[in-house]
Amino acid sequence: ELKVEQNPLFLSMQEGKNYTIYCNYSTTSDRLYWYRQDPGKSLESLFVLLSNGAVKQEGRLMASLDTKARLSTLHITAAVHDLSATYFCAVDMGNTGNQFYFGTGTSLTVIP
Amino acid sequence: DAGITQSPRHKVTETGTPVTLRCHQTENHRYMYWYRQDPGHGLRLIHYSYGVKDTDKGEVSDGYSVSRSKTEDFLLTLESATSSQTSVYFCAIQARLDYEQYFGPGTRLTVT
Repeated sequence: ELKVEQNPLFLSMQEGKNYTIYCNYSTTSDRLYWYRQDPGKSLESLFVLLSNGAVKQEGRLMASLDTKARLSTLHITAAVHDLSATYFCAVDMGNTGNQFYFGTGTSLTVIP
Repeated sequence: DAGITQSPRHKVTETGTPVTLRCHQTENHRYMYWYRQDPGHGLRLIHYSYGVKDTDKGEVSDGYSVSRSKTEDFLLTLESATSSQTSVYFCAIQARLDYEQYFGPGTRLTVT
């Protein structure tokens, strides 16, 4: 059974600081996705990582994938309040359809 | 807006009653998915579809059935609702494998 673990589960950080969220998964996959969810809302796609060494950046967020270590990171640079949300990673294990396995999420609060 | 609607958006029902949730897309995408979201579990795949009348089970399919008679509609049925099925249900669509999934607004279901 595939396990996807995120840490930390809760993160409170000050504006302007940097931090990294980690996503570890238990079996081979080279397709990993990051999503953001605001309270009471749906999920919004952030990044699609499809190969070992893939790195994507958007604004203050940067995601990377190391398939050999089965690890993805989401790095936050100079956090701002608008980044407060829950972040999920999802690993694809499907063949006929993408069967995403989600991590439990990291709840990020950025404090002014 | 990825052209996905879910209905109803909120529903309260009693244990033992049948419930059907509807997902409708306007994008004509091949792949559609049903997830449930519960605290501490992230999102878990219930069933998915890779074409009209082509469906398969996901990670937590017990107690659920699905149907897809048209490309645009994917129905999730709880034959006899139980309190453990109280959750937020999300539908997702996907244009192609290796693309991200886009999520609908969600349905909050409470089984009393």
